[in-house]
Amino acid sequence: GENVEQHPSTLSVQEGDSAVIKCTYSDSASNYFPWYKQELGKRPQLIIDIRSNVGEKKDQRIAVTLNKTAKHFSLHITETQPEDSAVYFCAAAFQGAQKLVFGQGTRLTINP
Amino acid sequence: GAGVSQSPSNKVTEKGKDVELRCDPISGHTALYWYRQSLGQGLEFLIYFQGNSAPDKSGLPSDRFSAERTGGSVSTLTIQRTQQEDSAVYLCASNAQVRTGADTQYFGPGTRLTVL
Repeated sequence: GENVEQHPSTLSVQEGDSAVIKCTYSDSASNYFPWYKQELGKRPQLIIDIRSNVGEKKDQRIAVTLNKTAKHFSLHITETQPEDSAVYFCAAAFQGAQKLVFGQGTRLTINP
Repeated sequence: GAGVSQSPSNKVTEKGKDVELRCDPISGHTALYWYRQSLGQGLEFLIYFQGNSAPDKSGLPSDRFSAERTGGSVSTLTIQRTQQEDSAVYLCASNAQVRTGADTQYFGPGTRLTVL
């Protein structure tokens, strides 16, 4: 069935260090993988996405990598800052890209 | 431009009552999605609309839950005979589906439902 597994569920890093969050998906036909950031009490907001025709995408301190063979993708945040503290969700598109299935989320805490 | 809006922002109801939650998607967005997020949990897919039709209702937890969309715009999620386990934040999202593949989903602020 449609499934996205996300790890770790919580992650605490020192300010300035890097953070990595990993997700695996079940459907080899999935072709779109967004990452959302949700601050406390706020709506999820897209921070970066990747399509299956590329292996890596970068936007300033944020990067996403995709391994289609292994069916996993990862979010990398470098030079972390306190404002990076939030819950991060990965997702994968299923059913011909009509539907997103989300991972369970990672609560990232940046320690000053 | 205006983003996705939802109303009410908060709803407190008594067990057994019916509630209606409203979502106004971004103008021109053809696809609309409903999710449920329990406290500290992930995003649980409920239903999505393509225009006014709902190709996938597989996430609706029970027959107490229903949704409709009219005019390819506003959608209403109805929960009948509410139960305490229905307490959660209900999020709506929309996207334009310009590509043949998936496009960015834009989320509304959510409706926090509390069933006493």
